[in-house]
Amino acid sequence: QMQLQESGPGLVKPSETLSLTCSVSGGSINKSSFYWDWIRQPPGKGLEWIGSMYYSGSTYYNPSLESRATISVDTSKNQFSLRVTSVTAADTAVYFCARRAWVGPFDFWGQGSLVTVSS
Amino acid sequence: EIVLTQSPGTLALSPGERATLSCRASQSVSSRYLAWYQQKPGQAPRLLIYGASSRATGIPDRFSGSASGTDFTLTISRLEPEDFAVYYCHQYGNSPYTFGQGTKLEIK
Repeated sequence: QMQLQESGPGLVKPSETLSLTCSVSGGSINKSSFYWDWIRQPPGKGLEWIGSMYYSGSTYYNPSLESRATISVDTSKNQFSLRVTSVTAADTAVYFCARRAWVGPFDFWGQGSLVTVSS
Repeated sequence: EIVLTQSPGTLALSPGERATLSCRASQSVSSRYLAWYQQKPGQAPRLLIYGASSRATGIPDRFSGSASGTDFTLTISRLEPEDFAVYYCHQYGNSPYTFGQGTKLEIK
C-alpha cells in the first residue's frame, strides 16, 4: 500500500524559506504515469493546489504563488520536496503531499504537516 | 482559472437521510475531470468520486456522483454517522487545479 509522509520544520520566520520533504513508501517515485504534488490548507479554510512534479523532474505550479514555490525530486531516496521562499503569515497552512495519475485525481495523500509562519 | 462554487455551505441532516451536495464550475470541466473528497478533522482528504461519477476503490455504493453541463452533484443515499464531514469538489482537467470551498455536512 502506497504511503506518503511529510516532514520539515513546523515554524518558519517571515521572509525566510519554507522547506518540506515527502517520503514515499510502497511504490517507486521513479515510475511513469504518476505525478507528485503539493497542496496546502490554511487553518479552517479550503484546499489550494501548489504545484506538480513528474518523476523526470519536470514541474508546473499555481501562478498564485508568484514563482515562490519550487518542487524537486530525489529518486535515490524516493522523496520529493517543496520550497517556498519569502514566506508571510498567509503561508501558514497544513501542507499535504499527494500522488495522482496523469490527468487524475489525488488518490494517495500524506497526513499533512502544519507550518506556521511567525517571528 | 476554473472557479468551483459549492452549495450549501453547511447542510444539517440526520442519519438515514439523503444528502445532496452541489458544485458549479465557472466554465466547462474537461472530460468531466471532476472529483469529490471527504475530509474529517485532522485528516487528509479522502477520494470518493472521480470522473464525475466513478467511485474510488473501497467507497460504499451509497456515495454517487453525477454531472449536467457545469453542474456536479454528490449524493449520499442514506447517511451513516461516519459520513458527517466536510466535502470538497475538485477539477483536475485544467491547470491550475482548483477546489471548491467545501460543504460541511453536520448532524441535525
